[in-house]
Amino acid sequence: QKEVEQNSGPLSVPEGAIASLNCTYSDRGSQSFFWYRQYSGKSPELIMSIYSNGDKEDGRFTAQLNKASQYVSLLIRDSQPSDSATYLCAWGGDSSYKLIFGSGTRLLVRP
Amino acid sequence: EAGVAQSPRYKIIEKRQSVAFWCNPISGHATLYWYQQILGQGPKLLIQFQNNGVVDDSQLPKDRFSAERLKGVDSTLKIQPAKLEDSAVYLCASSFDFGSSYNEQFFGPGTRLTVL
Repeated sequence: QKEVEQNSGPLSVPEGAIASLNCTYSDRGSQSFFWYRQYSGKSPELIMSIYSNGDKEDGRFTAQLNKASQYVSLLIRDSQPSDSATYLCAWGGDSSYKLIFGSGTRLLVRP
Repeated sequence: EAGVAQSPRYKIIEKRQSVAFWCNPISGHATLYWYQQILGQGPKLLIQFQNNGVVDDSQLPKDRFSAERLKGVDSTLKIQPAKLEDSAVYLCASSFDFGSSYNEQFFGPGTRLTVL
């Protein structure tokens, strides 16, 4: 059973701090990883994708992938109250390229 | 560019009734997905289409759920008869390419189903 594990949280950080969200996955053959943000009552919104080991930066967001450790993370710099949401980690890359999602980490950014 | 469209946004039915959801993907996207998201969980894939062919329906409860994608564009997901445990948000997503692991999926607003 291929799985994605995330801490459900909530992760509470003060405004302006760095929020670190983590995800582990069970399949060493996984090729692609995605971070989605989901506000309460809304649908998931793609914020980052990463395919290679190392870091990928996009604005205040940095995704980090370590395939050897089967670990992917998302860093949010200068966290804002508007970043308060559930962050879903997903991996894809099996034969049907479907995404397998974790259950999400709830992030709370305190003003 | 218009996003994925879904309707209805909300639906309340009684158990054993039937319900249908509609999805229109992003223009030009060949692959369409239906997910079920139960409160507190991540989305779970129900069925995946490439154009109008089924790629993966391994997690679709086929005794009560059915889906079709005629003409390779719009898709309909049906539940008949509904059970209490079907209460969830049904999300439609689409992606441009199939056959690539670099396959970013974009979600519609979802349909929130409540079964009483």
